[in-house]
Amino acid sequence: QVQLVESGGGVVQPGRSLRLSCAASGFTFRSYPMHWVRRAPGKGLEWVAVISFDGSDKYYADSVQGRFSISRDISKNTLHLQMNSLRAEDTAVYYCVRESIQKSSSLDYWGQGTLVTVSS
Amino acid sequence: DIQMTQSPSTLSASVGDRVTITCRASQSISSWLAWYQQKPGNAPKLLIYKASRLETGVPSRFSGSGSGAEFTLTISSLQPDDFATYYCQKYDRYPWTFGQGTKVEIK
Repeated sequence: QVQLVESGGGVVQPGRSLRLSCAASGFTFRSYPMHWVRRAPGKGLEWVAVISFDGSDKYYADSVQGRFSISRDISKNTLHLQMNSLRAEDTAVYYCVRESIQKSSSLDYWGQGTLVTVSS
Repeated sequence: DIQMTQSPSTLSASVGDRVTITCRASQSISSWLAWYQQKPGNAPKLLIYKASRLETGVPSRFSGSGSGAEFTLTISSLQPDDFATYYCQKYDRYPWTFGQGTKVEIK
């Protein structure tokens, strides 16, 4: 079955960097676009970034543009999110999400999330 | 960027009630809309995609309708397992955007 397992979250000081990873299994990883979505404490869901199936196209939310970078390692079935210049408002649970290629690009499988806390 | 506005923000209802949540886009998104359910401590779950298509395994009491800029999620008979927060999300073009969420509470 499809599994997405995030790792790399933790407590980090403002201005520092953190790299999240997502291990994918149970499907042909190289065929699917992949996303990161976050939920800050007490707030709603926020789309963060997407990478195309082959890694050639990437898009970001305005709130993270220029600070975050999404990448994928097809040989290891792993998705990454490099987060630089972190701010308090980046504190959130970060979800790794698969974009469906059969259901009109909806987000059909979600990991359980990893918590990032930006605090001094 | 296109904004998504859900209403109401909170909804109090009883088991068996018919519940409707509205999602409005600041401009037309055709039918590129999905609905998700999220319970505390859990990841979101896809319910509806392409505005009205039911995800496999989702109970038929859930339905979606609308196109263009106005959409609705209806739960025909609210069940105890349905108390959760619901989000609409547009995916016509980047950046993708979620509505602010509707929390369905027990009355």
